[in-house]
Amino acid sequence: AQSVTQLDSQVPVFEEAPVELRCNYSSSVSVYLFWYVQYPNQGLQLLLKYLSGSTLVKGINGFEAEFNKSQTSFHLRKPSVHISDTAEYFCAVSFSGGSNYKLTFGKGTLLTVNP
Amino acid sequence: DAGVIQSPRHEVTEMGQEVTLRCKPISGHDYLFWYRQTMMRGLELLIYFNNNVPIDDSGMPEDRFSAKMPNASFSTLKIQPSEPRDSAVYFCASSPPYPHPGWGYEQYFGPGTRLTVT
Repeated sequence: AQSVTQLDSQVPVFEEAPVELRCNYSSSVSVYLFWYVQYPNQGLQLLLKYLSGSTLVKGINGFEAEFNKSQTSFHLRKPSVHISDTAEYFCAVSFSGGSNYKLTFGKGTLLTVNP
Repeated sequence: DAGVIQSPRHEVTEMGQEVTLRCKPISGHDYLFWYRQTMMRGLELLIYFNNNVPIDDSGMPEDRFSAKMPNASFSTLKIQPSEPRDSAVYFCASSPPYPHPGWGYEQYFGPGTRLTVT
């Protein structure tokens, strides 16, 4: 069975500082990986995804993530955050090439950007 | 496209009452998912449909919960009778048919229905 671990439940940072949100996954087969963002009182919005190819993927709002197969990680990064990046971030995984269309989500990391 | 549409956005009801949540998926999508989100349990998949047929309902908590998808553009999640522990935000999400160029099973979420049972 696959699982996703988001190592930090809360990450406070100051505006314009860099940030890294950590995600590790466990799976015995190849996976697709995703980061979603949830702003207060809204649904989840896809931030970026890794399907194959280059291990560094770029998403919306200046975020990027790097797939590391040996460490089974998919950490999310942004070099300089804004107040508007305050939100909850979810890492998710799915099987690649299978008939299982479910996403397995981590428990989320609340990013709080302070002035 | 308008995205996934859910109604109502907020629902407050008394214990024992029937609650019906509604979802309209993105046109052309043939997978539909219902989730529940709480502080304690995070995001839980309740059930999902493919071409209007329920595929996996293993996440439905108990018989008080039921879901239907009578056609490709409409689904309901019903709770009867409702209990205070059902208070949560309920999300609907949809996905396009597989295979789909550049798609890796990602889902598109609606804004959610915040349910409060008193």
